[in-house]
Amino acid sequence: NAGVTQTPKFQVLKTGQSMTLQCAQDMNHNSMYWYRQDPGMGLRLIYYSASEGTTDKGEVPNGYNVSRLNKREFSLRLESAAPSQTSVYFCASSPAGLAGNTIYFGEGSWLTVV
Amino acid sequence: KNQVEQSPQSLIILEGKNCTLQCNYTVSPFSNLRWYKQDTGRGPVSLTIMTFSENTKSNGRYTATLDADTKQSSLHITASQLSDSASYICVVSASGYSTLTFGKGTMLLVSP
Repeated sequence: NAGVTQTPKFQVLKTGQSMTLQCAQDMNHNSMYWYRQDPGMGLRLIYYSASEGTTDKGEVPNGYNVSRLNKREFSLRLESAAPSQTSVYFCASSPAGLAGNTIYFGEGSWLTVV
Repeated sequence: KNQVEQSPQSLIILEGKNCTLQCNYTVSPFSNLRWYKQDTGRGPVSLTIMTFSENTKSNGRYTATLDADTKQSSLHITASQLSDSASYICVVSASGYSTLTFGKGTMLLVSP
């Protein structure tokens, strides 16, 4: 089972460039999330989608946009990358929200902005 | 402010030994507490999830405890193996849809 699949695995961007991180899940989950993980910090929520057709800001949404393309896919876009966005990005999904549900994470996307 | 503090930051133990990792939280109102294992270069994988009414839960050699009164949790690893080398992350959920507070993790190294 693939679970949560993220692409690309690694990416180097120049400041000001744009890019989209892709995420797909094959578990028929309703809810999907994008987190970033920085050294010395816990994971922080960027955006989430409670269900197909809805998206909401998380803790650190500035500089990002998201699209819930369909039930399976949730993409994260950096319109004008900045060095502060150098991080590891994790997509995740859960059956329906967070209450008591296990959250399944992808393998991560390493992004470096120079 | 919701916070999750984990200790120790890092730990080295010999293969076959037991260890206990600690998690203290100030998340309110409490909904549930999760422990995740994150191998280097990989995504976090769920070990346990406990609600307010549960005070212990096991997953193989991993046993998590929860004291909701003192707002403390521990993760006990029995008979450690080299494959247990990873970061262990405590995550607390507050009531409400999007609120998860992640600890910074404890980095465990199991040495042969």
